[in-house]
Amino acid sequence: EAGVAQSPRYKIIEKRQSVAFWCNPISGHATLYWYQQILGQGPKLLIQFQNNGVVDDSQLPKDRFSAERLKGVDSTLKIQPAKLEDSAVYLCASSIAPHSYYEQYFGPGTRLTVT
Amino acid sequence: AQKVTQAQTEISVVEKEDVTLDCVYETRDTTYYLFWYKQPPSGELVFLIRRNSFDEQNEISGRYSWNFQKSTSSFNFTITASQVVDSAVYFCALRGIIQGAQKLVFGQGTRLTINP
Repeated sequence: EAGVAQSPRYKIIEKRQSVAFWCNPISGHATLYWYQQILGQGPKLLIQFQNNGVVDDSQLPKDRFSAERLKGVDSTLKIQPAKLEDSAVYLCASSIAPHSYYEQYFGPGTRLTVT
Repeated sequence: AQKVTQAQTEISVVEKEDVTLDCVYETRDTTYYLFWYKQPPSGELVFLIRRNSFDEQNEISGRYSWNFQKSTSSFNFTITASQVVDSAVYFCALRGIIQGAQKLVFGQGTRLTINP
């Protein structure tokens, strides 16, 4: 079974530029998550999708971050414009369903460096 | 508020030693799940174990064991006879219900280094 795919793996941009990350979850997983992991910290949830609807985006900085999952499968996370403090690893995860019982499977992440 | 504390930032031991990673959590939920994940240098978080709040039985899986104690709000992880391949960052996480959604909250992580 293929795991969660993410691209690109690494991205370096200058502040005020825009960037987009892509995620393809495990086939059949209805729930998709985006996390931000700053160096030396645990991942923090940015947004959770159930199929193509948003379940929780309370920690997403909506003035600069946006995410979509149009067909309920792939998802993109965009930052526009980027700030220095956005430097982090962005992790995508998926699970069969949103209930807390189901473990989340994580992708390899995209390491973003903003200079 | 939900919170997970991993007080040990870094641990370094020699191969074959036993090592315990501590995890303390806070929640007002009566039903919740606790998890441990491993993050090797490749960056991908690997699921190790899930425990629900009603099951306080300890669990053993090979060289790994977990001790869940509700009375002290702790969910500690022990590696017996450690190996170099165990070197990674380990995260404890809690998933309950926050603001109607079931959010997974991670601790800060413990970086474990096993020296040959």
